[in-house]
Amino acid sequence: GAVVSQHPSRVICKSGTSVKIECRSLDFQATTMFWYRQFPKQSLMLMATSNEGSKATYEQGVEKDKFLINHASLTLSTLTVTSAHPEDSSFYICSARDTGETNEKLFFGSGTQLSVL
Amino acid sequence: SQKIEQNSEALNIQEGKTATLTCNYTNYSPAYLQWYRQDPGRGPVFLLLIRENEKEKRKERLKVTFDTTLKQSLFHITASQPADSATYLCALEPSSASKIIFGSGTRLSIRP
Repeated sequence: GAVVSQHPSRVICKSGTSVKIECRSLDFQATTMFWYRQFPKQSLMLMATSNEGSKATYEQGVEKDKFLINHASLTLSTLTVTSAHPEDSSFYICSARDTGETNEKLFFGSGTQLSVL
Repeated sequence: SQKIEQNSEALNIQEGKTATLTCNYTNYSPAYLQWYRQDPGRGPVFLLLIRENEKEKRKERLKVTFDTTLKQSLFHITASQPADSATYLCALEPSSASKIIFGSGTRLSIRP
């Protein structure tokens, strides 16, 4: 089955620093990737839709200048949390659809637990 | 407003029984609905997809129903096992956008 690799799995950083999270589709191409955020015991909240070769589409209330998304190739999307603050601490998960398939299902990365001190 | 609700935040049942989880949605007209399983600290894993013209879909011990009149999907796990303990999420794609929205999830615990 399709695999989505997400790194790092866990990061601890100081307040004010920037953190980059990578999401790779390993055996398929993904023109679209999705970034979700999940707080403890809550569901996945869609942050943005990452489109290869174009600007990301952000959900209402998500600051595009704070959460920078780059989707430079068909297999890689990155999310950079700029000037991170403790309230940004959360579980960030990326997902992708196989562009070559008609199936609508999402393949998820294993998530990144971000802790901002 | 648009909502996807999974009525039970947590569900505890005895091993061997059938677990039934509910997903209701409001002000959406999805062409299909999906169910995912999520284990702690991991990303969700796709389980089943059911389309609006399908009443029922089965996969091994899993069964999903979809009632577009009631705007509801039911997810059943028969002969439940402790290994089925996880959070189960329903999800849909609004007809107006190419993105997938998730329900709040039901944390299922199967006791031996």
